[in-house]
Amino acid sequence: DTGVSQDPRHKITKRGQNVTFRCDPISEHNRLYWYRQTLGQGPEFLTYFQNEAQLEKSRLLSDRFSAERPKGSFSTLEIQRTEQGDSAMYLCASSIGTGRGNTEAFFGQGTRLTVV
Amino acid sequence: AQTVTQSQPEMSVQEAETVTLSCTYDTSESDYYLFWYKQPPSRQMILVIRQEAYKQQNATENRFSVNFQKAAKSFSLKISDSQLGDAAMYFCAYRRWSYQLTFGKGTKLSVIP
Repeated sequence: DTGVSQDPRHKITKRGQNVTFRCDPISEHNRLYWYRQTLGQGPEFLTYFQNEAQLEKSRLLSDRFSAERPKGSFSTLEIQRTEQGDSAMYLCASSIGTGRGNTEAFFGQGTRLTVV
Repeated sequence: AQTVTQSQPEMSVQEAETVTLSCTYDTSESDYYLFWYKQPPSRQMILVIRQEAYKQQNATENRFSVNFQKAAKSFSLKISDSQLGDAAMYFCAYRRWSYQLTFGKGTKLSVIP
């Protein structure tokens, strides 16, 4: 068990380009979360998966953002037509959940996106 | 909507001393969870301590303990015998059942040797 893994750790992109981030959760974890953290702020929820189903999306997740979790394993977060306001740390977390129950969330080290 | 407020953007403590970080939250729910997470510079966020709202007893994990005041919606973290490795951003977070975490803005803790 190597924990939650995110790739890449850093990404610099030009405004208008598309970017994709990957998250590999802890292998037995069925729940996967994406958060965004800007400088000086706490993480803000973006979206959440239970297995392969995307169960909730924040209003922060504009139409330019899309997330997938095929086969309920790794997840990808894509941002299309990036804007400077998208610059942030994107955090992935995973947990084991059944019904109302949920273990603690384990976080990855994040992908820092800089849009220039 | 639930909100979490951390009113201390920065705190400092002398090594081996005790420090308390404050957190208040707003919710209409009676069943929920509260957490303190630690985020060292350039490292991943890790759970420090958790508290179930239905439990009256305050949670304790080694040098870390909480003061949970449900009626006042207050959830402070006490760090005893502070160590250099405790220096980090500390985030208070709220969660209902299996839903996502709602975080405060964080408190930056510095430990002075």
